[in-house]
Amino acid sequence: AQKVTQAQTEISVVEKEDVTLDCVYETRDTTYYLFWYKQPPSGELVFLIRRNSFDEQNEISGRYSWNFQKSTSSFNFTITASQVVDSAVYFCALSLYYNQGGKLIFGQGTELSVKP
Amino acid sequence: EAGVAQSPRYKIIEKRQSVAFWCNPISGHATLYWYQQILGQGPKLLIQFQNNGVVDDSQLPKDRFSAERLKGVDSTLKIQPAKLEDSAVYLCASSPRTGGRTEAFFGQGTRLTVV
Repeated sequence: AQKVTQAQTEISVVEKEDVTLDCVYETRDTTYYLFWYKQPPSGELVFLIRRNSFDEQNEISGRYSWNFQKSTSSFNFTITASQVVDSAVYFCALSLYYNQGGKLIFGQGTELSVKP
Repeated sequence: EAGVAQSPRYKIIEKRQSVAFWCNPISGHATLYWYQQILGQGPKLLIQFQNNGVVDDSQLPKDRFSAERLKGVDSTLKIQPAKLEDSAVYLCASSPRTGGRTEAFFGQGTRLTVV
C-alpha cells in the first residue's frame, strides 16, 4: 500500500526565517511521482512541483527548494527567507506511474504560519 | 485561462437530507477528479472520470454518494442521504491527461456542514 506521512502538523516561524517541511512516503513501486501542493485560506490546492522517482536532483525555484532522497524515501521542502504570504497548508502527495488514473495520495498536511 | 469552477462554495444541511455539488473543469481537460477533504486531513479521492467514463470509484461510498459527468465536461456529485461524517470540503480537480505524472488543477471546493 502507498502512504505519505507529514509528521509536522503545524509550524510557526517569524518572517525571514528558513523553514523545512518534511515528507516521507511509502511505496513498493519503482516508478512514481511526488508532488507538493499549497493550500491557502481560499481553499484551492496550488501545484508547486512534481518529481519523478528517477530524478533525484534537488530543485530550486526562487525561495523554494526541494530535496528528494530515495534512500530515505523523503521529499522535503524548504522555504528560504519565509514571508507572511507563505502562510498556508502544504501537502505532499504521491502518484504511481502505472496507476491509470493518476490518483494523488496525500499526506495529512503541514500548516505553516509565518508571523511578521 | 479560467480555472476549475465549483458551486456552491458553502452548504449547510441536516442529516438525512440530500445535496449536490457542481464542477466545471478547465476547458479541454479530459480527466476530472472529486476529492473529499475532512478537516485536518489531506484530500482523499472519491471518484475519477476520463471523459465521461469512470476510471476509479473504489473509495466512493456508493450507498449514498453518486457522481456523473455528462458529455465529458461538467460533473455533479450527490450525497443522499447525508450523514454527520460527510462534513468536509469537496474538491474538484481536472488535468489534461491521465496517468501518474500529470499534475491536477483544483477548484476552491465546496465546504459541506451536516448538522
